[in-house]
Amino acid sequence: DGGITQSPKYLFRKEGQNVTLSCEQNLNHDAMYWYRQDPGQGLRLIYYSQIVNDFQKGDIAEGYSVSREKKESFPLTVTSAQKNPTAFYLCASRSTSGGYNEQFFGPGTRLTVL
Amino acid sequence: DQQVKQNSPSLSVQEGRISILNCDYTNSMFDYFLWYKKYPAEGPTFLISISSIKDKNEDGRFTVFLNKSAKHLSLHIVPSQPGDSAVYFCAATPTGTASKLTFGTGTRLQVTL
Repeated sequence: DGGITQSPKYLFRKEGQNVTLSCEQNLNHDAMYWYRQDPGQGLRLIYYSQIVNDFQKGDIAEGYSVSREKKESFPLTVTSAQKNPTAFYLCASRSTSGGYNEQFFGPGTRLTVL
Repeated sequence: DQQVKQNSPSLSVQEGRISILNCDYTNSMFDYFLWYKKYPAEGPTFLISISSIKDKNEDGRFTVFLNKSAKHLSLHIVPSQPGDSAVYFCAATPTGTASKLTFGTGTRLQVTL
């Protein structure tokens, strides 16, 4: 079954700690994205990557970092510099061939900072 | 500066009737629009999209209408079913920009029996 997996589903972190959220896809998609959702708000773009070993900042990249060493994987690190890290984090991927294609989303990781 | 706006936070519709969800945008560079459906604690699921070269796109019970001059789009669901109860997000992007989606804040649709 092709899809996007995010782990863990729920994550708790103490203030001041870095934490890495996993995102893996087996859809053979070139592009991958990280969004966060806060209550009553839409999804906001954190980082995106169109190809392996390349990524760009989105609208709210401060306090986050990513890597794209493999096509299938796009992990997101929430650093201690992120002021309000408690949120629902969503990873997405998209095929870049054959015109415009929609983004497919994973199930999300809910991060809570204690 | 919210470039994609969904001004109705919630909508309640009776089963079998039409649901109309609205979305407005301000960025003239947006030329591709998408609707996603989202259940709590899950990722959004793609529903339907429309390019700016069209003014209507249909897929089963779902139809999206685009009015470029008014910078407005709407999603029609006919007939509405209880399983349609979810939060619906409108999203927009200029094509050729790595598909960076800008999302609205969502409309919670409740379909009642």
